[in-house]
Amino acid sequence: IQLTQSPSSLSASVGDRVTITCRASQGISNYLAWYQQKPGMAPKLLIYGASTLQSGVPSRFSGSGSGTDFALTISSLQPEDFATYYCQQLNSYPLTFGGGTKVEIK
Amino acid sequence: QLQLQESGPGLVKPSETLSLTCSVSGASISSSNDYWHWFRQPPGKGLEWIGYIHYSGTTYYNPSLKSRVTISVDTSKIQFSLKLNSVTAADTAVYYCARPRSNNLHEAFDIWGRGTMVTVSS
Repeated sequence: IQLTQSPSSLSASVGDRVTITCRASQGISNYLAWYQQKPGMAPKLLIYGASTLQSGVPSRFSGSGSGTDFALTISSLQPEDFATYYCQQLNSYPLTFGGGTKVEIK
Repeated sequence: QLQLQESGPGLVKPSETLSLTCSVSGASISSSNDYWHWFRQPPGKGLEWIGYIHYSGTTYYNPSLKSRVTISVDTSKIQFSLKLNSVTAADTAVYYCARPRSNNLHEAFDIWGRGTMVTVSS
């Protein structure tokens, strides 16, 4: 299953609302996760089940979607949110990831 | 608290075998009924799933790597290993071990090792 993330990069300011989308090449129900990755670090789980916030993750992060179209929204971008974000499908094996979205400071 | 730690050679010659170990602390592989996974990430690129092993020894690999990959569990049940043979420069990457949120094959991954960089070069 191929996952297409967009945009591949974006520039935003602190306080901005940011939305990243992920489209699956076939239906994956709600078996989608979102991760945040900072340079030199392992991915960090933000959202699972397409819309469930992982424990300890700030409530400014939210996920939505089902089937083939999904989105990750950051309601008010904070300095620590500048990172690369990946979606991952867990519907079927082999597990696959989107190409990533790099969120940079404007 | 469960922690994972990858270890192994940072440099492997082309055509040789890459061997990595993931040490598990805070849990027992043999009693947890969990699936233990490997991922990798080439420099500046995205993430790729390599395969998993269940505590029972059942494995499943990415078809793109299946002919070259072996994942095993140490008999002491406190670590699991990755072997990738006939490596080329394309196998240069940071390798991560990870465990999903529960013993469900459709669960996301909340526990990751810190990753270990492996370079394939003569």
